[in-house]
Amino acid sequence: DAMVIQNPRYQVTQFGKPVTLSCSQTLNHNVMYWYQQKSSQAPKLLFHYYDKDFNNEADTPDNFQSRRPNTSFCFLDIRSPGLGDAAMYLCATSSPRDRGIDEQFFGPGTRLTVL
Amino acid sequence: GIQVEQSPPDLILQEGANSTLRCNFSDSVNNLQWFHQNPWGQLINLFYIPSGTKQNGRLSATTVATERYSLLYISSSQTTDSGVYFCAVVMNTGFQKLVFGTGTRLLVSP
Repeated sequence: DAMVIQNPRYQVTQFGKPVTLSCSQTLNHNVMYWYQQKSSQAPKLLFHYYDKDFNNEADTPDNFQSRRPNTSFCFLDIRSPGLGDAAMYLCATSSPRDRGIDEQFFGPGTRLTVL
Repeated sequence: GIQVEQSPPDLILQEGANSTLRCNFSDSVNNLQWFHQNPWGQLINLFYIPSGTKQNGRLSATTVATERYSLLYISSSQTTDSGVYFCAVVMNTGFQKLVFGTGTRLLVSP
């Protein structure tokens, strides 16, 4: 089945130690998104790639970076995680160009703990 | 920016009961999606419904775009329906960015 895959599902890191979260997709969608979801809150968009074009939300901290080496993969890098970065990180994809609609599909998420 | 409010914020049901969840939004939208976030955190697509009515098994949804609201109906609820239900909208202008509502937390007890 076509899907959005995130690895790892659970990640524990230390305060200030860089961490990378991974997302891959078999849907061949051209847009990929990263969301942060803190406890009891709605998901919040951090940034997205439209093909190779990177688009950062205005309020996304500089501590968060992203890479998209090809259509299938996208990475979220947190350069110096703080305690406030503990959250669920959700990857999503959509393909408005090919499908004419912009329905987003989400991966299972990576739950990040910062010690 | 656009405001997306959901009601009720919390809902407790006995298994087998029916319920209606509401999503109000403050501006015109191009797209509206309903999601179920399960206890493990995964967002599961329920409906892509910018307007009209759709049904999928025990679930159905109606969006009245001109009046800026959407409803999600759950019939004959089951314990596996527990979780948080989000609506999310995309505005008519600018990049097609999903703005999530405040969520409804549903608990279905046996």
